[in-house]
Amino acid sequence: QKEVEQDPGPLSVPEGAIVSLNCTYSNSAFQYFMWYRQYSRKGPELLMYTYSSGNKEDGRFTAQVDKSSKYISLFIRDSQPSDSATYLCAMSPPSGGSNYKLTFGKGTLLTVNP
Amino acid sequence: EADIYQTPRYLVIGTGKKITLECSQTMGHDKMYWYQQDPGMELHLIHYSYGVNSTEKGDLSSESTVSRIRTEHFPLTLESARPSHTSQYLCASSAGQFEAFFGQGTRLTVV
Repeated sequence: QKEVEQDPGPLSVPEGAIVSLNCTYSNSAFQYFMWYRQYSRKGPELLMYTYSSGNKEDGRFTAQVDKSSKYISLFIRDSQPSDSATYLCAMSPPSGGSNYKLTFGKGTLLTVNP
Repeated sequence: EADIYQTPRYLVIGTGKKITLECSQTMGHDKMYWYQQDPGMELHLIHYSYGVNSTEKGDLSSESTVSRIRTEHFPLTLESARPSHTSQYLCASSAGQFEAFFGQGTRLTVV
């Protein structure tokens, strides 16, 4: 079983739709949960991060973590064509020692149609 | 815009050639990473470094090698390129636990 599972999509939605992206994981040691966005022919860039469980909101984006279910989500409200990209979830254990490595999901390709 | 640079952006090279992919960052980050990314697949960590003269192999076995002689520089070398090395290579750096800054990537094709 892979440590992080993410549905690769592709996901195509109309402009203005609410988008839900999800990842599941198996390593209970993960404490930091991140979402990266990768535009075509670019490197990933950090979109949001959450420590442990709970929700975090930033504008149109909301990240949720449910550690009991080992499940994380990213919601995009009022999606825009500029949101079209691949979204990768990433996770890491607590800091310290050699624990600075991120484990990534496969990424979900999202297209928002005008 | 993150201050991390990879060169070249694209490279097509023949089998058996030695290649070095360059990665430099100007943020003073002590942690640097090399990932391999194939279409539709996860980013796989192949090398990482937590400081000068410190390098470790990542989770994905790779025939490449790295060096970290200066904080800002983390080159990756393939002594003898093979078609199986064809992939996108992404370099990243970070100061802490989660915010890794990525370069634009080098798309390598070995023919």
